[in-house]
Amino acid sequence: SAVISQKPSRDICQRGTSLTIQCQVDSQVTMMFWYRQQPGQSLTLIATANQGSEATYESGFVIDKFPISRPNLTFSTLTVSNMSPEDSSIYLCSVAGQMNTEAFFGQGTRLTVV
Amino acid sequence: EDQVTQSPEALRLQEGESSSLNCSYTVSGLRGLFWYRQDPGKGPEFLFTLYSAGEEKEKERLKATLTKKESFLHITAPKPEDSATYLCAVRRDINDMRFGAGTRLTVKP
Repeated sequence: SAVISQKPSRDICQRGTSLTIQCQVDSQVTMMFWYRQQPGQSLTLIATANQGSEATYESGFVIDKFPISRPNLTFSTLTVSNMSPEDSSIYLCSVAGQMNTEAFFGQGTRLTVV
Repeated sequence: EDQVTQSPEALRLQEGESSSLNCSYTVSGLRGLFWYRQDPGKGPEFLFTLYSAGEEKEKERLKATLTKKESFLHITAPKPEDSATYLCAVRRDINDMRFGAGTRLTVKP
């Protein structure tokens, strides 16, 4: 299984500001995903991070709010832009080797917007 | 509409008291059912993958089974360290992995 390092592990941010979350994997992976887990709820897919091209966003998530970069096969960033308290969540990076295989997760970034 | 439903929402057991968690799903073209364990403040930890009805996987005190409509996670003689939220997820497509809401398990010594 891949070792996934996510930074920061937690942050408290002022509304209206932006936060960039980094995800580093110890090996090259085909698939990288970003999830959101709101308090007391399950995981919701934000987008698939595509290497060398624009991310693929799920319904309800837009690039202006959640810009994503993936410059290579081991690294990705998610930015939460113009934050409001409703953005307070755990954000998780996930990787998978192939389409039908299991996905592995980073330890998450706990974001609180005040 | 594709759905993944886990039950119960919460389960409290005494140490050594075996039980089962349920994950029912309505997904066409299933490409794998996955079980994860999530501890507070951490990301989900992968446990099992099941691909076809009748398949079973075991790891220590945990055993996962799969039918055409549901999966069970059986916990035999649980210990307090098994306390966590257990998540079920189904994959239908390359970027379509749907998670259930989870079962929060507490095992009392």
